[in-house]
Amino acid sequence: GIQVEQSPPDLILQEGANSTLRCNFSDSVNNLQWFHQNPWGQLINLFYIPSGTKQNGRLSATTVATERYSLLYISSSQTTDSGVYFCAVLRGNNRLAFGKGNQVVVIP
Amino acid sequence: NAGVTQTPKFQVLKTGQSMTLQCAQDMNHEYMSWYRQDPGMGLRLIHYSVGAGITDQGEVPNGYNVSRSTTEDFPLRLLSAAPSQTSVYFCASSYRDPNTGELFFGEGSRLTVL
Repeated sequence: GIQVEQSPPDLILQEGANSTLRCNFSDSVNNLQWFHQNPWGQLINLFYIPSGTKQNGRLSATTVATERYSLLYISSSQTTDSGVYFCAVLRGNNRLAFGKGNQVVVIP
Repeated sequence: NAGVTQTPKFQVLKTGQSMTLQCAQDMNHEYMSWYRQDPGMGLRLIHYSVGAGITDQGEVPNGYNVSRSTTEDFPLRLLSAAPSQTSVYFCASSYRDPNTGELFFGEGSRLTVL
C-alpha cells in the first residue's frame, strides 16, 4: 500500500515562532488532507488539498503532487496549536492512509 | 446538525466479552469508516462502507465485524474482545467518494480490554 511519512515527528516551538511540517507519500494520490488532533483527542479537519496551495488564517498548506509531498505551515504559533498533525492520503481505493503524525508543543 | 456521533466514549471490557461501538451521522454521507489509533501508529483503517449494504475490509479488520443497514449508522462489533484491541476508536464519514471532499470524525471511543 501507499506509504506516508511525516517529519519531524516531534517539534517544540516558542509561542510566536513559525514552523513547517512535511508529508511525503510514495505514490500518486487523489486526495490529501491535513488534520489536527488537539490535546483532548478531537480530530479537526484543516485542509483538503490534493494539489496547490490553501490558506486559513495562520495556517497554510501546499501540495506538490508531482513530487509527492505536502507542507503545512504554521505561522505565529499559539499554545492552542499544540497537538498532533496528521497527513492522510487516498489513492482511489476509498482508503485514507494516515502518517504517524507530527507532535507539536507550543510553549508560552 | 450533530455531525458524527460515537457511543460510548469510554468502555472497559474483560477478555472474551463482546460489545458494539455505535456510530451515527446526520449529514447523509454515503461513505463511513472505522479507524483505530494506537500510540506511535497513527490511525489505521479497520472497515469501511461506501453505502448501505456495502462494507469492505481495511488495513486491520481481524477481530471486528461491521454492517451497514442504513445510511446513517455504521456499528463496529467486537465478538470476543482481546487485550490487543485496547485502543481509541474513531468513526468517520464523507460524501460518496472521499476523493471529492473532507472526512469528518467523531470524538472517539476509548476501549480498554483487561
